[in-house]
Amino acid sequence: KQEVTQIPAALSVPEGENLVLNCSFTDSAIYNLQWFRQDPGKGLTSLLLIQSSQREQTSGRLNASLDKSSGRSTLYIAASQPGDSATYLCAVKTGANNLFFGTGTRLTVIP
Amino acid sequence: NAGVTQTPKFQVLKTGQSMTLQCAQDMNHNSMYWYRQDPGMGLRLIYYSASEGTTDKGEVPDGYNVSRLKKQNFLLGLESAAPSQTSVYFCASTSSWGSNQPQHFGDGTRLSIL
Repeated sequence: KQEVTQIPAALSVPEGENLVLNCSFTDSAIYNLQWFRQDPGKGLTSLLLIQSSQREQTSGRLNASLDKSSGRSTLYIAASQPGDSATYLCAVKTGANNLFFGTGTRLTVIP
Repeated sequence: NAGVTQTPKFQVLKTGQSMTLQCAQDMNHNSMYWYRQDPGMGLRLIYYSASEGTTDKGEVPDGYNVSRLKKQNFLLGLESAAPSQTSVYFCASTSSWGSNQPQHFGDGTRLSIL
């Protein structure tokens, strides 16, 4: 069974700092990897989706990379802002019918 | 721009009671999903529906049933609620089965079983 791990579980950084969130998965046979953002009491918002044939995706200040062979992905956030404070989840899609989620990294950006 | 709408947002039940969680999407998506989120665990798939009229079990289906009679609606039923079913339930949808499109999530239903 696919297992997805996110370390650290929580991270606090001062505003303006660049940061990296990590995601690792045990089975490299994936269709894609997604990064989500979850605000307290809310659902998940898709940030970036990297297909298995891709190495990275970018959206604004966010950049996600994928190294399938080593089972790793990173989410890079440039020039962090207090509004970036949230829990960030990664999920891998294996086969056609399931996303396997990590437990998330809770990010706090301190003004 | 509703997207995925879940009702109710909060619910408290007594052990043994039954209820139905409702999910509606207005994006004309073919595939819909029900997940539960528990502290310290990632979201886990309960049931999914690849298309209208079809449903299949996910990772943790025991104690639940589902219904997809209309394309825009996916219902999750608890037959006889148990405290272990206390959780946050999320509904999601995506354009088609097996696609590389992202899943869109509702805001969740927070369910407590006493």
